[in-house]
Amino acid sequence: AQSVTQLGSHVSVSEGALVLLRCNYSSSVPPYLFWYVQYPNQGLQLLLKYTTGATLVKGINGFEAEFKKSETSFHLTKPSAHMSDAAEYFCAVTLNDYKLSFGAGTTVTVRA
Amino acid sequence: GAVVSQHPSWVICKSGTSVKIECRSLDFQATTMFWYRQFPKQSLMLMATSNEGSKATYEQGVEKDKFLINHASLTLSTLTVTSAHPEDSSFYICSARVYLDSYNEQFFGPGTRLTVL
Repeated sequence: AQSVTQLGSHVSVSEGALVLLRCNYSSSVPPYLFWYVQYPNQGLQLLLKYTTGATLVKGINGFEAEFKKSETSFHLTKPSAHMSDAAEYFCAVTLNDYKLSFGAGTTVTVRA
Repeated sequence: GAVVSQHPSWVICKSGTSVKIECRSLDFQATTMFWYRQFPKQSLMLMATSNEGSKATYEQGVEKDKFLINHASLTLSTLTVTSAHPEDSSFYICSARVYLDSYNEQFFGPGTRLTVL
């Protein structure tokens, strides 16, 4: 079965600083990988996804992630944090293009 | 496009009563919808897969007689929490699956906050 591990349940960054959220996956076959953002009391919004092709994926709100097969990683980055980036972030994986398995989530706080 | 709605957004009920939550795909048809449960500060846990016109498939450990799922049309799935108890209090999120850009993407609803007194 596929799974993802998010390293760090909480990340605190200064406004304008780099945001780095780590995600490692476990899969026996090439996975589809996703990053979602959740604001308080809301559903999930897709930030970006990797299915096939280019390993560097650009998403919304200035986020990007790189699929590294050798490291089984799909880390999420944003060069310059904004106050509006404060939220919960989930990495997710699917093997069969059907069920999603979510990581435990990382809470991002942004300091002024 | 690809908007999913849930109703109600929040509900408070007494212990022992039943509560129905609706999940609708507003601008697309979805043969498959998913129901998730999320406890505070935790991740989403898949409860069941809802397929239009057939019985739902429940994940291990989820009581199918307690969480009744009906996918009566291509745009509507409902989750009924029967004989609710305080431990059923949670945030329930649905998603609808649609084929886009050569794979099946899930679009999520805004969630329903259930509080059982």
